[in-house]
Amino acid sequence: DAGVIQSPRHEVTEMGQEVTLRCKPISGHNSLFWYRQTMMRGLELLIYFNNNVPIDDSGMPEDRFSAKMPNASFSTLKIQPSEPRDSAVYFCASTTLSGAGNTIYFGEGSWLTVV
Amino acid sequence: TQLLEQSPQFLSIQEGENLTVYCNSSSVFSSLQWYRQEPGEGPVLLVTVVTGGEVKKLKRLTFQFGDARKDSSLHITAAQPGDTGLYLCAGVGSQGNLIFGKGTKLSVKP
Repeated sequence: DAGVIQSPRHEVTEMGQEVTLRCKPISGHNSLFWYRQTMMRGLELLIYFNNNVPIDDSGMPEDRFSAKMPNASFSTLKIQPSEPRDSAVYFCASTTLSGAGNTIYFGEGSWLTVV
Repeated sequence: TQLLEQSPQFLSIQEGENLTVYCNSSSVFSSLQWYRQEPGEGPVLLVTVVTGGEVKKLKRLTFQFGDARKDSSLHITAAQPGDTGLYLCAGVGSQGNLIFGKGTKLSVKP
């Protein structure tokens, strides 16, 4: 079975450019999460969707960040304009949210470097 | 705000040694999960503990959930180089989302 699929795996971009990260969750999962991981701050939840609806976006750093989930099989995280401090690994994860103890499956991450 | 503190942050040991890592919070969680993350990959779930005082074993790994469901520990017996990685604890928050600790980076030297 295919797991959570993220693209691109690696991206290097210049400050000020728009960055779009993509995620395909596991088929049948109804919840999708975007996390950011850095050495200093660990894994931070940016936003999560339930049945394609954003439930909690309080972790989104600022207006430069936006996320969409137009359908159950696709989500994007966009940064515009990008800044060097956005450099991190961005993970997408999905699960079937049905109570305590759900298994959340992570993608392999998108490694973003903003120079 | 629900926070999880993990300790130690880094741990370097020799093959065959035992170790324990801790995950503490001032908040109560409905359940707590432990993940292992290897370089270049996403975290992978090891175990979920749900009941206060629960103990689960996964081969040489023993996980315990505190009685008050605010803390947890992971004990590894006779560590192997293959145990090397970042160990993350995560609590299920009030809205069903996962709140992660910053992790314990374990290195087991042969």
